[in-house]
Amino acid sequence: AQKVTQAQTEISVVEKEDVTLDCVYETRDTTYYLFWYKQPPSGELVFLIRRNSFDEQNEISGRYSWNFQKSTSSFNFTITASQVVDSAVYFCALSASTDSWGKLQFGAGTQVVVTP
Amino acid sequence: DADVTQTPRNRITKTGKRIMLECSQTKGHDRMYWYRQDPGLGLRLIYYSFDVKDINKGEISDGYSVSRQAQAKFSLSLESAIPNQTALYFCATSDFGTGGVEDTQYFGPGTRLTVL
Repeated sequence: AQKVTQAQTEISVVEKEDVTLDCVYETRDTTYYLFWYKQPPSGELVFLIRRNSFDEQNEISGRYSWNFQKSTSSFNFTITASQVVDSAVYFCALSASTDSWGKLQFGAGTQVVVTP
Repeated sequence: DADVTQTPRNRITKTGKRIMLECSQTKGHDRMYWYRQDPGLGLRLIYYSFDVKDINKGEISDGYSVSRQAQAKFSLSLESAIPNQTALYFCATSDFGTGGVEDTQYFGPGTRLTVL
């Protein structure tokens, strides 16, 4: 069975501080995909990034960066120089082959609060 | 126009009533999903459909049923609503998945359902 753990329930920072969201996953599959989604206060779910299990190259996109480490089964997400608009709930999710592709297992989410 | 739409966006109903939530997509995707979101639990899969003739139960299907009327339409029904079905419901779509880009799921705006 697949499992995704986001141990941080809520993180509060002051604007311009960096914030790192932790995600730990469990799967027996060697082929899988990891995702991050953002849910702003308006409620919609916005896709941020997808990473496959064969690509451990870390990625930076603007103020966002992701650190994928298979050795620790972690897929952490960092927001650099946070802004008020980054306030949202962030979900980590996993899709693995033996559970049939396309079925996402979500973590419980981490609420990020950025204050001016 | 939004690629994935859900109707209604908000609904208040009473215990025992039958209610239908509808989802339509213009992305041309084969796969459609229904999730519910409860505080602190992330998103959990209710039903999923990989094509019009393929419908499958997810993690929490009890008390729900679905209908895939066409490639673009996937409806979720609560035959006899109960208060613990109060939640935020999301529809999602993805392309045919063999593990890859296709498996990214795109979500509708959500339906907030309250059962009194």
